[in-house]
Amino acid sequence: GDSVTQMEGPVTLSEEAFLTINCTYTATGYPSLFWYVQYPGEGLQLLLKATKADDKGSNKGFEATYRKETTSFHLEKGSVQVSDSAVYFCALKNTDKLIFGTGTRLQVFP
Amino acid sequence: DAMVIQNPRYQVTQFGKPVTLSCSQTLNHNVMYWYQQKSSQAPKLLFHYYDKDFNNEADTPDNFQSRRPNTSFCFLDIRSPGLGDAAMYLCATTPRLALQETQYFGPGTRLLVL
Repeated sequence: GDSVTQMEGPVTLSEEAFLTINCTYTATGYPSLFWYVQYPGEGLQLLLKATKADDKGSNKGFEATYRKETTSFHLEKGSVQVSDSAVYFCALKNTDKLIFGTGTRLQVFP
Repeated sequence: DAMVIQNPRYQVTQFGKPVTLSCSQTLNHNVMYWYQQKSSQAPKLLFHYYDKDFNNEADTPDNFQSRRPNTSFCFLDIRSPGLGDAAMYLCATTPRLALQETQYFGPGTRLLVL
C-alpha cells in the first residue's frame, strides 16, 4: 500500500542553519504531496504542497520539490529561526485520504 | 477569517463517561474528517463525512461515533472512554474529494480520561 517515510528526529539546529528534512514515498499513480507543520499543543497547518512531478511548493522560506524519479519530497529552508521549532509531517494523497509520515521534530536554538 | 473551530480545546472526562467533541467550519466544505493523534504519533483517521455520507475506517472502534447535523457542524461521540482514548482529536475539512485538495485542520481538542 501507499506509505510515507520521514527521517527520524529530533533534528537540532542553531538559528540561521540550513534545514533539510527527508521524505520519500511509495505510491502507485501520481499522488499529491504535502508538508504540514504542528506547533506545540496545536493542530496541523498546511506548510506547502505539490500536485504533480517537478512542482515546487514554497511558503515562509520553506521549499520542497516533487521528484518522481526518486519518489521524494524533501523539505528545505535556507536559514531557520527559533520560531520554526515544531513537528513537521510529510503526507501524500492518492485517494480521498491523507497518508502521513511519522513526523520529524525540529528544535532550533538561539 | 474562514476557519475550522474545535471546542473545547481541552476536555476532561471520567473513565466510561460519554463525551462529545465538536467541530464547526465556516468554509462551507463538503467533507469533514475526524482524526485521533496520540503523543509523538501521526494523526490516525477515524472517519469522514462526504456531505451526509458517513465513511468509517475499518479499524475505528465501535466506541467512536460521529454525527453531522448540517454542513457546518460535526460531532465526535465517545460512548465509553477508556484510558487509551486519551489523545488529541483533530477535525479537518476539504472542499471535495480530489487529489489536489488541501485538508484544513482545526486546533484540536485534547482529551484527558481520568
